[in-house]
Amino acid sequence: DGGITQSPKYLFRKEGQNVTLSCEQNLNHDAMYWYRQDPGQGLRLIYYSQIVNDFQKGDIAEGYSVSREKKESFPLTVTSAQKNPTAFYLCASSYRESNQPQHFGDGTRLSIL
Amino acid sequence: DAKTTQPNSMESNEEEPVHLPCNHSTISGTDYIHWYRQLPSQGPEYVIHGLTSNVNNRMASLAIAEDRKSSTLILHRATLRDAAVYYCISHSGAGSYQLTFGKGTKLSVIP
Repeated sequence: DGGITQSPKYLFRKEGQNVTLSCEQNLNHDAMYWYRQDPGQGLRLIYYSQIVNDFQKGDIAEGYSVSREKKESFPLTVTSAQKNPTAFYLCASSYRESNQPQHFGDGTRLSIL
Repeated sequence: DAKTTQPNSMESNEEEPVHLPCNHSTISGTDYIHWYRQLPSQGPEYVIHGLTSNVNNRMASLAIAEDRKSSTLILHRATLRDAAVYYCISHSGAGSYQLTFGKGTKLSVIP
């Protein structure tokens, strides 16, 4: 079955450490997205990519970085510059055409040690 | 993308229909209405979307008002598995890939 796989499910970060969250999809989607969700809140867009080797900042990109070297993969790095990284991180993908549904993974929950 | 307004929470009895309202009074003529739902500790799941006319799929129906300033997501027969947070999103689509999620409506289903 096609889908989006995020790993790990839980991640702990030490102060000053960078951590990378994995997102892989086998839906043949061109576009991929990273969202952050804080408790009781909606989702906020961190970065998105419409095509390989290209990506754009979303509303809250500061302290995060991404790469898109392969169509199937869109890893997110939470850098030490992100001072409040504790959140639920969600990856999604879609076809590039307008108004296509986004398909989400099951998320990674990041906490500070 | 237009701002949407939803009730914070709703309750429904199991096996009864549920009507989840959404107001989007500033919607433009080309904005689509999308609905997603999210179960606890899971990613959102696409439910349905539409532009002007009513839409049906295996999960739900979407009724869009004639003036497009409001819409209603209809679950025809609520089950316990439908208990989730439901998000109504107005999305322009034109050159915009971002979905703006608000706080949504938390639906509780009573056995």
